[in-house]
Amino acid sequence: DADVTQTPRNRITKTGKRIMLECSQTKGHDRMYWYRQDPGLGLRLIYYSFDVKDINKGEISDGYSVSRQAQAKFSLSLESAIPNQTALYFCAAEGGNEQFFGPGTRLTVL
Amino acid sequence: QQQVKQSPQSLIVQKGGISIINCAYENTAFDYFPWYQQFPGKGPALLIAIRPDVSEKKEGRFTISFNKSAKQFSLHIMDSQPGDSATYFCAASKSDYKLSFGAGTTVTVRA
Repeated sequence: DADVTQTPRNRITKTGKRIMLECSQTKGHDRMYWYRQDPGLGLRLIYYSFDVKDINKGEISDGYSVSRQAQAKFSLSLESAIPNQTALYFCAAEGGNEQFFGPGTRLTVL
Repeated sequence: QQQVKQSPQSLIVQKGGISIINCAYENTAFDYFPWYQQFPGKGPALLIAIRPDVSEKKEGRFTISFNKSAKQFSLHIMDSQPGDSATYFCAASKSDYKLSFGAGTTVTVRA
C-alpha cells in the first residue's frame, strides 16, 4: 500500500470553480507539504505544515488555501480556479529528512 | 527566484556513459543537500543525500560531489542504464527546515 495517497489523480475543471485536492499519509509524520510541478520550473512549494496546528505559506500560495484536518490529512483548495493553475500537484510527508511524495494530481483548468 | 540553480535542463547519454548534473546555491546556511529521482507518472523519491562535512558520497552507481567553497554540488551517474531515464531534482535545506528544489534535469539513456 502507498504511504502517501492523493485524490483525485486527474481532474478537469472550469475557470472559477472551487476544487479540493486531498492527501493522506500512513507514515505518522508531522510535516506535510503541497507542491506544484511545471515543466522547467521544478517543484514549487505552495503550503506546508509542521504539525496539525501549524500552517505556513510557501513561495506560491496566492490563489490556494489548505486545511490540516488531522496528522494524516492535508488538503489543498483552489477557491476560484484559473487556467494558469493547470499543473501537476504533489503532496509529501516528511520524516527523518526524507520527503515521501504521493503519486500526484494532474489538474487542468479550462 | 530559485535558491538552487540546476543544469542542464536535459541530457542524453549512451548506455554505459556518465551522466553529470550540476547544482549551485547561494545560501551558506544550507546544510543538507538531497537528490530526488522522478519517473514518469510518479512522485519524486529520495535517491541520495549529502551534508557539507563530506566532499563526496557514493551509493552504487550514484555519487554526489560537494564543493563547499564554490557552493556547488553535482550528481554523477556512472555506467548509465536505460532504467536511469528519469527527471532528477537537486535540493537544499537548512537546519531541518523546508527544502528548496532545483528546476530538474531530464536524463535519457539511449540503449
